[in-house]
Amino acid sequence: GAGVSQSPSNKVTEKGKDVELRCDPISGHTALYWYRQSLGQGLEFLIYFQGNSAPDKSGLPSDRFSAERTGGSVSTLTIQRTQQEDSAVYLCASSFYYEQYFGPGTRLTVT
Amino acid sequence: ELKVEQNPLFLSMQEGKNYTIYCNYSTTSDRLYWYRQDPGKSLESLFVLLSNGAVKQEGRLMASLDTKARLSTLHITAAVHDLSATYFCAVDAETSGSRLTFGEGTQLTVNP
Repeated sequence: GAGVSQSPSNKVTEKGKDVELRCDPISGHTALYWYRQSLGQGLEFLIYFQGNSAPDKSGLPSDRFSAERTGGSVSTLTIQRTQQEDSAVYLCASSFYYEQYFGPGTRLTVT
Repeated sequence: ELKVEQNPLFLSMQEGKNYTIYCNYSTTSDRLYWYRQDPGKSLESLFVLLSNGAVKQEGRLMASLDTKARLSTLHITAAVHDLSATYFCAVDAETSGSRLTFGEGTQLTVNP
């Protein structure tokens, strides 16, 4: 079946602009996660959605970052007023029980 | 704060040789995962270890878990070039819900 998909695969933006990254989880998966992978920080947790519960936002690095999940399916990660340190690969994962399946990622470059 | 440490971080080995990658973590964990990442690609799940003493094998890779020592190992037997990749361990700790905390990754290069 279809895996986790993310779009766009690459995004180049100017410093100060807002960006939206999209994640389509595996159908039927109730949990959705966002992680960030950068050279300096490795793989970091950002935010976690589980069903209709309030999301765990404890990994978001600043209030410029927000995410929503509509209808318990698609999720959008929004970064406002992007900074160069936001450049990274943003990975989305989904799970039904505990094993997380990762999407291909969005490579964000802030110039 | 949960910490996950891998060693070595870089490993260069010859085809046919054996080696072990170690993953230590700092707190009680429900589950331990191993992932593989090829350059420019996403994370591919290799193993999920759910209990003390768990051992799983797939091809030339074998993973084990010792929850008392808070240690997992990924053993490579008779390495081949196709195993060249970065390997991450990750922990799903009781106190952090379902989110994963990753190790730094071990970059493995298998030379002919």
